[in-house]
Amino acid sequence: DIQMTQSPSTLSASVGDRVTITCRASQSISSWLAWYQQKPGKAPKLLIYKASSLESGVPSRFSGSGSGTEFTLTISSLQPDDFATYYCQQYNSILGTFGQGTKVEIK
Amino acid sequence: EVQLVESGGGLVQPGGSLRLSCAASGFTFSSYSMNWVRQAPGKGLEWVSYISSSSSTIYYADSVKGRFTISRDNAKNSLYLQMNSLRDEDTAVYYCARVNSGGLLTPWGQGTLVTVSS
Repeated sequence: DIQMTQSPSTLSASVGDRVTITCRASQSISSWLAWYQQKPGKAPKLLIYKASSLESGVPSRFSGSGSGTEFTLTISSLQPDDFATYYCQQYNSILGTFGQGTKVEIK
Repeated sequence: EVQLVESGGGLVQPGGSLRLSCAASGFTFSSYSMNWVRQAPGKGLEWVSYISSSSSTIYYADSVKGRFTISRDNAKNSLYLQMNSLRDEDTAVYYCARVNSGGLLTPWGQGTLVTVSS
């Protein structure tokens, strides 16, 4: 199975900060990488697919990059609504494994 | 509006059984593969099971293989997860999610909580 490793596990930041989260795959997944946002008590919401494509309706301050085994999610200017947990997920295989999550907290 | 609504969660003793349902609306259910994903309290997301649109292809995570059975009824626009021999570690919120053509999970239901405890 493909393992996904996110870093950091927790990130403390302020409104307006630029934030970057990293996700590494244990083997190449080309660009078959998605990012989800989850708020407490809610279901995950798709933000980015195919490593860098923005889901419809997602603010442009979110961006993704990478291919192969290394990927990043960047929030260009953190907004109050962005404090949440973010998960990467590979969908190169049907067994779509997730990273362990990165919680973005208020500094 | 595309909507997925899970039901059937609750408190069950270790070794017990439970059947989860996911009611789909707002899209042609029979055209999409579906997944179950779970999240233990305070933990991350864990993929549980996959079923293709026609039920011809089914996969399970090793952690539930032999104990859980995924199924669907396209005439009723419904997805199911039969969970047997439940363990403490199966305690989680269980989400159903639609699999888009590229393999993406979107949207997700709101989740149903399963608690395995004596």
